[in-house]
Amino acid sequence: QSVLTQPPSASGTPGQRVTISCSGSRSNIGSNAVNWFQQLPGAAPKLLTYSHDQRPSGVPDRFSGSKSGTSASLAISGLQSEDEADYYCAAWDDSLNGWVFGGGTKLTVL
Amino acid sequence: QVQLVESGGGVVRPGRSLRLSCAASGFTFNNFGIHWVRQAPGRGLEWVAVIWFDGTKKFSAASVKGRFTISRDNSKSTLYLQMNSLRVEDTAVYYCVRSLGPTVYNGLDVWGQGTTVIVSS
Repeated sequence: QSVLTQPPSASGTPGQRVTISCSGSRSNIGSNAVNWFQQLPGAAPKLLTYSHDQRPSGVPDRFSGSKSGTSASLAISGLQSEDEADYYCAAWDDSLNGWVFGGGTKLTVL
Repeated sequence: QVQLVESGGGVVRPGRSLRLSCAASGFTFNNFGIHWVRQAPGRGLEWVAVIWFDGTKKFSAASVKGRFTISRDNSKSTLYLQMNSLRVEDTAVYYCVRSLGPTVYNGLDVWGQGTTVIVSS
């Protein structure tokens, strides 16, 4: 049982916009920056967005993060076949004194 | 370029010990907090432990508290994870992860390729 709650799966067609949600609590998302990660099959996770809506250099602006209260979301616009991957949200938890993750969302590009 | 390379994984019997290492390069190691994050086969990500840039503060997950110890040698730009009393449920790929910026709260921006630990009798 993950501390942060994500839907287990999502899907879309090429060119479409998809959104993945992440629900937490006051001690994690409600108080700290949210990170989103992409994990391609057989690879290490890669940071996509941080501080809710910032992207590391090299991450396309098709990926955008947002936060409202104790929930966050990742939007992927102009969906491409190479976006098929697992996506995780995460945040520091002030009560647990550690990072907590969502269970992951498997994105399928139809 | 910025790089983290883990080593030390392997197959070990339950109850035994293992020490993982993570060699950093391409950045000023002693300016960053560093984490261990693990992923069991077919499962999601689980944060394991963090150590502050200067080693003065450490936190670990409840699942490993009292069994795993995180440490670092800034003179060697190397992070360690001493794992004692290993359990079958500790089987996972272990990633070394750099903090985004000087604090450990804002992000996890650079990940190593991971090292695999299998605990089995």
